[in-house]
Amino acid sequence: GAVVSQHPSWVICKSGTSVKIECRSLDFQATTMFWYRQFPKQSLMLMATSNEGSKATYEQGVEKDKFLINHASLTLSTLTVTSAHPEDSSFYICSARDGYTGNTIYFGEGSWLTVV
Amino acid sequence: QKEVEQNSGPLSVPEGAIASLNCTYSDRGSQSFFWYRQYSGKSPELIMSIYSNGDKEDGRFTAQLNKASQYVSLLIRDSQPSDSATYLCAVTGGSYIPTFGRGTSLIVHP
Repeated sequence: GAVVSQHPSWVICKSGTSVKIECRSLDFQATTMFWYRQFPKQSLMLMATSNEGSKATYEQGVEKDKFLINHASLTLSTLTVTSAHPEDSSFYICSARDGYTGNTIYFGEGSWLTVV
Repeated sequence: QKEVEQNSGPLSVPEGAIASLNCTYSDRGSQSFFWYRQYSGKSPELIMSIYSNGDKEDGRFTAQLNKASQYVSLLIRDSQPSDSATYLCAVTGGSYIPTFGRGTSLIVHP
């Protein structure tokens, strides 16, 4: 099946620094990518939707200047958490839609971010 | 506001039994329907997708879709302890942005 690779799997950073998370579709072209965050025992929360070559569309309440999303190619999207604070600690998950062979959405492995 | 409703559970079934997970959705224009399994601390993994009314079988899993009733279900036959997880129902329409249910926790006990 289709594979979405997300890196890093976990990262610890100091408060005030920035962290970049990469999401790659390995065997299909991702027309749309989605970024979620999930707190323990809670449901997925959609942060933003990005289409290749376009600016991301952020959900209400998500700060676009804090969570920078770039979708420069059909196989790569990045999420940069800028000036991270402890409250940004969470599980960040990307997903990608294969819009050419169907509309199935595949998830990356997720990235655990801990800000200390 | 598009909504996808799932019973949060937990649904507890004995090993070897059939687990039945249900999902209803509010948007009649919904086109694609997915079931994901999420283990604690992991990201969701796709189990089944279904696009037309009726049943779709894949191994021990059967997805059932009834667009008239705005209802989609997942049956797991011969449930195993390794099936214990949270099952997420997702629905997409013309925008292709998925709406997820909050998930149903399934516990399969030996």
